[in-house]
Amino acid sequence: QQQVKQSPQSLIVQKGGISIINCAYENTAFDYFPWYQQFPGKGPALLIAIRPDVSEKKEGRFTISFNKSAKQFSLHIMDSQPGDSATYFCAASKRGAQKLVFGQGTRLTINP
Amino acid sequence: KAGVTQTPRYLIKTRGQQVTLSCSPISGHRSVSWYQQTPGQGLQFLFEYFSETQRNKGNFPGRFSGRQFSNSRSEMNVSTLELGDSALYLCASTGTQGANTGELFFGEGSRLTVL
Repeated sequence: QQQVKQSPQSLIVQKGGISIINCAYENTAFDYFPWYQQFPGKGPALLIAIRPDVSEKKEGRFTISFNKSAKQFSLHIMDSQPGDSATYFCAASKRGAQKLVFGQGTRLTINP
Repeated sequence: KAGVTQTPRYLIKTRGQQVTLSCSPISGHRSVSWYQQTPGQGLQFLFEYFSETQRNKGNFPGRFSGRQFSNSRSEMNVSTLELGDSALYLCASTGTQGANTGELFFGEGSRLTVL
């Protein structure tokens, strides 16, 4: 019940295209769903996050879509750029808890 | 504002040895958590400290331990190292706001290689 499943493991998208990464969770006690971006040699950095009281959150080219009934959420990167090439992790936690349960990660490559 | 600082960045140990990793959180942050990152298991929660008290612990053997000091700096220790302990160990800190939003600020990690 603590798992967060992420797909795909790797993704190649052409510059200007839409990158989509999906995650599913089991524990209905989770109420905070962040996405982290990690570049080689760096620690993960928060990209965008959502709580289950909304179905979508958009920040610039990044959008989280959330489906509470299906227990799924996804990250959409619009107009993908080579600088977006990184590993993306979805995660989940309970309110107020610092314990994040991470998905396995998606290595995204944007071809110029 | 300086970020989360972890030392050392790289280290090599042999099986059976022990290692201590250090983490200085962002100034003013009182919560520090540790994660292990490996290619096979991904990012896994080790433990979290707040005001020198362990608040939460992940599913790791007792060989993994940690502590937090009064200045919020934290250390983690791994005793009797095994080959499988080779990993990137990440420290993250959170301020008061982060305690409500869940945002963690990660350091660049300490990469441990066990031979």
